[in-house]
Amino acid sequence: DQQVKQNSPSLSVQEGRISILNCDYTNSMFDYFLWYKKYPAEGPTFLISISSIKDKNEDGRFTVFLNKSAKHLSLHIVPSQPGDSAVYFCAASALGDMRFGAGTRLTVKP
Amino acid sequence: DAGVIQSPRHEVTEMGQEVTLRCKPISGHNSLFWYRQTMMRGLELLIYFNNNVPIDDSGMPEDRFSAKMPNASFSTLKIQPSEPRDSAVYFCASSPKGTSGYEQYFGPGTRLTVT
Repeated sequence: DQQVKQNSPSLSVQEGRISILNCDYTNSMFDYFLWYKKYPAEGPTFLISISSIKDKNEDGRFTVFLNKSAKHLSLHIVPSQPGDSAVYFCAASALGDMRFGAGTRLTVKP
Repeated sequence: DAGVIQSPRHEVTEMGQEVTLRCKPISGHNSLFWYRQTMMRGLELLIYFNNNVPIDDSGMPEDRFSAKMPNASFSTLKIQPSEPRDSAVYFCASSPKGTSGYEQYFGPGTRLTVT
């Protein structure tokens, strides 16, 4: 039972343009949402998060948007850089239990 | 700060053998998580502990898998007997608290290959 879904396994964008990664969830009990970034041969690292009481959180080039009614969140990266190329995991948490999506591989082309 | 430490980094074993993966969480973190990453299913939560107590092991695939946390600084994930379909990268992560609102810190993972 996949409670967190990332329907796009891959995304390719040009350097300098916007990258938009999407995530959907099914469990309305989730109250905290996170994005992790993963490079090959390394563990995922935390990127940005948002509480369910907010609809937007911004940190530099990264912005996460939350639409609770649609059970949807997205990560925007502007402008995209080649170093952003990685696998991005969406995660949702409730009472400490965290569930991850399958990941989206982002490739930013110079 | 050493971060989450996992050992071994790579493990190659034959089907039927016992495999033990080890994890040392970040000091002071109360929660510990074991994940498995595969191409097909992404990151799957296997089990997590709060204050050394297993809270949810519903993600453990079958009885061949077991996990222990004898103290706050050490946890093991054991597979006995191992099967080729267990081949994956296994991650351990720790978090300051066992509630929402805290990110998890991941170790580098153990790549397990069962032949």
